[in-house]
Amino acid sequence: DTAVSQTPKYLVTQMGNDKSIKCEQNLGHDTMYWYKQDSKKFLKIMFSYNNKELIINETVPNRFSPKSPDKAHLNLHINSLELGDSAVYFCASSPLAGVPNEQFFGPGTRLTVL
Amino acid sequence: DAKTTQPTSMDCAEGRAANLPCNHSTISGNEYVYWYRQIHSQGPQYIIHGLKNNETNEMASLIITEDRKSSTLILPHATLRDTAVYYCIVRGNSGGSNYKLTFGKGTLLTVNP
Repeated sequence: DTAVSQTPKYLVTQMGNDKSIKCEQNLGHDTMYWYKQDSKKFLKIMFSYNNKELIINETVPNRFSPKSPDKAHLNLHINSLELGDSAVYFCASSPLAGVPNEQFFGPGTRLTVL
Repeated sequence: DAKTTQPTSMDCAEGRAANLPCNHSTISGNEYVYWYRQIHSQGPQYIIHGLKNNETNEMASLIITEDRKSSTLILPHATLRDTAVYYCIVRGNSGGSNYKLTFGKGTLLTVNP
């Protein structure tokens, strides 16, 4: 069984479009995260939700909007896509925010903006 | 979060122990040392974490110096599948931005046959 799953795995789209990436975890975790890994392979946190409440919001353009319908899901919606949004996006989850714990990462979604 | 310094790359022979160093000289008293790795084209994978005592699990051992300013991740018998980028991360455990993992450049470990 997949612990943290993301859909789609690959996403190719034109500049200016709006797209969503979905993430689901079946681990019963309270906290979920979105990370972005750019072409230089730097992995950076974007958002984190704990029990559907936003707890981390890094300096991400407001074109990016996370949505957590329940604690098992954290979706990422991106408006007006730009070339610089091309990257691999990873979703992750962990049992409890703030307690030493491990984060479980999904397989990633490779977004290419043309 | 305190910063960490790791070598850019290391090589290891298959079957031998891989020792990956990490410096974190500005670590605070309540910050933990975490190790993750990322195999090519996959999501990062948790390996181990510790505060001040040495830790061991089925994947690796973590040796933290007494002054906590550095640590070493040990893979006792490296295999080809251990080829990956290994990240040493220092992370607090109390609120807000301490929840996040701040990834550096990591060490590319190449295990050779």
